[in-house]
Amino acid sequence: AQSVTQPDIHITVSEGASLELRCNYSYGATPYLFWYVQSPGQGLQLLLKYFSGDTLVQGIKGFEAEFKRSQSSFNLRKPSVHWSDAAEYFCAVGGVGTDKLIFGTGTRLQVFP
Amino acid sequence: EAGVAQSPRYKIIEKRQSVAFWCNPISGHATLYWYQQILGQGPKLLIQFQNNGVVDDSQLPKDRFSAERLKGVDSTLKIQPAKLEDSAVYLCASSPSGNTIYFGEGSWLTVV
Repeated sequence: AQSVTQPDIHITVSEGASLELRCNYSYGATPYLFWYVQSPGQGLQLLLKYFSGDTLVQGIKGFEAEFKRSQSSFNLRKPSVHWSDAAEYFCAVGGVGTDKLIFGTGTRLQVFP
Repeated sequence: EAGVAQSPRYKIIEKRQSVAFWCNPISGHATLYWYQQILGQGPKLLIQFQNNGVVDDSQLPKDRFSAERLKGVDSTLKIQPAKLEDSAVYLCASSPSGNTIYFGEGSWLTVV
């Protein structure tokens, strides 16, 4: 079955600390992987995406993610978190020949000053 | 470039009433989606249009939900009659092709 697991429901970090949000997927074909961010009261904004090629992808707002096929993971990282990064983060998977996305349940990030 | 536009942004209705949401996708995007996002969950696809044809509506509760995309551009999602469990954010999204999907800011529905 196709699915996305985000094992951390809620993460709290201090401003300036590093961040890693976990994402594991199950997909029967070559996956396309995405991270979206949702600020309170807003829609989803695309942070980055992986289709093929270099397994380390750079996104907006200083975020990056690494695709590890052997671990079925696509973890999101940021070296230094800013208070404005507080939001909900969603990992999603799609695939070749389909533009339907399957989303994880999200990780809520809280940032303390 | 203008993004995906949705209206209304917020709506409160009583159960058994009806509601309609409107979406205008990014210009030139052939594919349009409606997702439902219940509080604490990820978005779930309700319906997908390619131009003005339905590609996937397998998760649309057709006894109460309907959607149309006339002329292959704007779309309307209707709920009639609404139930308490329909309280959610209804996200419209569009895609040119090739898997990257762009979302609107959502229409927040509360059914009381």
